[in-house]
Amino acid sequence: AQSVTQLGSHVSVSEGALVLLRCNYSSSVPPYLFWYVQYPNQGLQLLLKYTSAATLVKGINGFEAEFKKSETSFHLTKPSAHMSDAAEYFCAVSNNQAGTALIFGKGTTLSVSS
Amino acid sequence: EPEVTQTPSHQVTQMGQEVILRCVPISNHLYFYWYRQILGQKVEFLVSFYNNEISEKSEIFDDQFSVERPDGSNFTLKIRSTKLEDSAMYFCASILSEIDEQYFGPGTRLTVT
Repeated sequence: AQSVTQLGSHVSVSEGALVLLRCNYSSSVPPYLFWYVQYPNQGLQLLLKYTSAATLVKGINGFEAEFKKSETSFHLTKPSAHMSDAAEYFCAVSNNQAGTALIFGKGTTLSVSS
Repeated sequence: EPEVTQTPSHQVTQMGQEVILRCVPISNHLYFYWYRQILGQKVEFLVSFYNNEISEKSEIFDDQFSVERPDGSNFTLKIRSTKLEDSAMYFCASILSEIDEQYFGPGTRLTVT
């Protein structure tokens, strides 16, 4: 069975500081990995995805994530936080078979202070 | 840009009533999903649908739930007899192929009183 663990339910950073949101996964098959962002009262928006190509994945809004198989990790980073980055971030895993479900982590709330 | 749409945005119903949540997936997508998010909790998979049948479902998706694609565009989730614990945000998603990401709709907030 697949699972996702997001370390830290709440992360607070100052504007301009590095953002690091942690995600570890468990999967018996090569995984596909995703980061989604959810702004208040909105749906889920894809930030980036890993589907077995390059291990360093660049997404929207300056975010990137690195797939590390040896550490079973897919941490999300952004060099410099912006106030508009404040949101809920979800890491998700699926296997690489067509149409399978996304398994989400519990989410991390990112707060950005000025 | 194509997007998944959901109606209504908010549905209030009494316990024991039937509700139907509606979704219009992106037109050329082939796989369809329902997820739910209870307030303050993680997003949970309910069911996936492909080629007019359920392809996968979670333990949450019991006999009280059903899905249908009645007309080739809408994708519906029916809850036959709602319970208080069904109160959640329900998200529809669709996907074109297995290497594509799932595109989510804005959600329907279901409140059962």
